[in-house]
Amino acid sequence: RKEVEQDPGPFNVPEGATVAFNCTYSNSASQSFFWYRQDCRKEPKLLMSVYSSGNEDGRFTAQLNRASQYISLLIRDSKLSDSATYLCVPCPPLVSGSSNTGKLIFGQGTTLQVKP
Amino acid sequence: DGGITQSPKYLFRKEGQNVTLSCEQNLNHDAMYWYRQDPGQGLRLIYYSQIVNDFQKGDIAEGYSVSREKKESFPLTVTSAQKNPTAFYLCASSRTIRVAASNQPQHFGDGTRLSIL
Repeated sequence: RKEVEQDPGPFNVPEGATVAFNCTYSNSASQSFFWYRQDCRKEPKLLMSVYSSGNEDGRFTAQLNRASQYISLLIRDSKLSDSATYLCVPCPPLVSGSSNTGKLIFGQGTTLQVKP
Repeated sequence: DGGITQSPKYLFRKEGQNVTLSCEQNLNHDAMYWYRQDPGQGLRLIYYSQIVNDFQKGDIAEGYSVSREKKESFPLTVTSAQKNPTAFYLCASSRTIRVAASNQPQHFGDGTRLSIL
């Protein structure tokens, strides 16, 4: 099983729609997660951090299901400007008494295209 | 404003030539990373450094080299041994991971596109 798996899409939705992406991860010890947004030919930018069961920021909601080892990103009232690739990043567990590397595993990403 | 600066934005390499990509950050981050991204693909880790004068190989280090002589700088050299260097190269940095602290997000520069002449 891959460390992180995302449906590459593309997800084509009309403006104003609600869309959700799932991301599954293999390391059950992952305790925190990041969602990044990457526009075409640009660098990834941090969209949201998830340190507990979920997080909400405006139209964006992240929900974590530890039992099933997936995290979802929900976008409400989609805007044209939401068109991008969304990268899921499960964080490795912190090891007590040791220095952690800070290495992150980036998913391949899910591409969203919002149409007028 | 604090941030990560990568240069050049576009770079062309001739056969048998080594080229160096620059990455500088003024965020006072201890950790720095280099990734490669191919079209339609995810990010793959080349090298990373947690502290000055120390660095570790990532998943695809062959054909690349790095140095970390200063906290602010983490240059990547693409050597002639890297037979398929055409890609989008991204540099990132993050605060040091300490025990009992939370995982830290990485912040990216705007990338360098390398092509073969």
